[in-house]
Amino acid sequence: EPEVTQTPSHQVTQMGQEVILRCVPISNHLYFYWYRQILGQKVEFLVSFYNNEISEKSEIFDDQFSVERPDGSNFTLKIRSTKLEDSAMYFCASSKLQGEGEQFFGPGTRLTVL
Amino acid sequence: DQQVKQNSPSLSVQEGRISILNCDYTNSMFDYFLWYKKYPAEGPTFLISISSIKDKNEDGRFTVFLNKSAKHLSLHIVPSQPGDSAVYFCAASGTSYDKVIFGPGTSLSVIP
Repeated sequence: EPEVTQTPSHQVTQMGQEVILRCVPISNHLYFYWYRQILGQKVEFLVSFYNNEISEKSEIFDDQFSVERPDGSNFTLKIRSTKLEDSAMYFCASSKLQGEGEQFFGPGTRLTVL
Repeated sequence: DQQVKQNSPSLSVQEGRISILNCDYTNSMFDYFLWYKKYPAEGPTFLISISSIKDKNEDGRFTVFLNKSAKHLSLHIVPSQPGDSAVYFCAASGTSYDKVIFGPGTSLSVIP
């Protein structure tokens, strides 16, 4: 069964450094998303992406964040200058054009900012 | 602003019995409602969804009921199995491709 994959599984970085989190969505899906979950909190929406542009972004997704689909398979989230509060699990998700809202999530990348 | 609420942080059920997880929402513009299951250090796994034009959707041991007038939905798991022990998230979206808004989750323990 096709699934969303994410790399790396765990990323440790120093505050102020740039990180790139990578995702390979399900191949026939057209919508892509990033969510995050800070320890002990809810899963929160960051950004959605369709047709090579951002469809919607949350208040969290400020100028430090960017997304890109550099080729036909990868979808990346870049954090330009990491802060301590960026430490969280980051989940990539994808969905079909038509469905009942179901999004399929990857296993997540645990980002630790020191 | 809690648009999706799960008022029970935890639930314990005996193996073989029914598990009922509840969820309330405040935004009447939601069109799709979803349930996800999550194990620690893993991503949410999609279980079942229901659109706002239905009041029930069933998939194997999982049934979701939607009461639009009460802005309430529930997930029934029958019979419950120890492998069902996980955190269950209720979620909602406005369209079939809109962002998903998650509730805080209910931790289900199925006791053998």
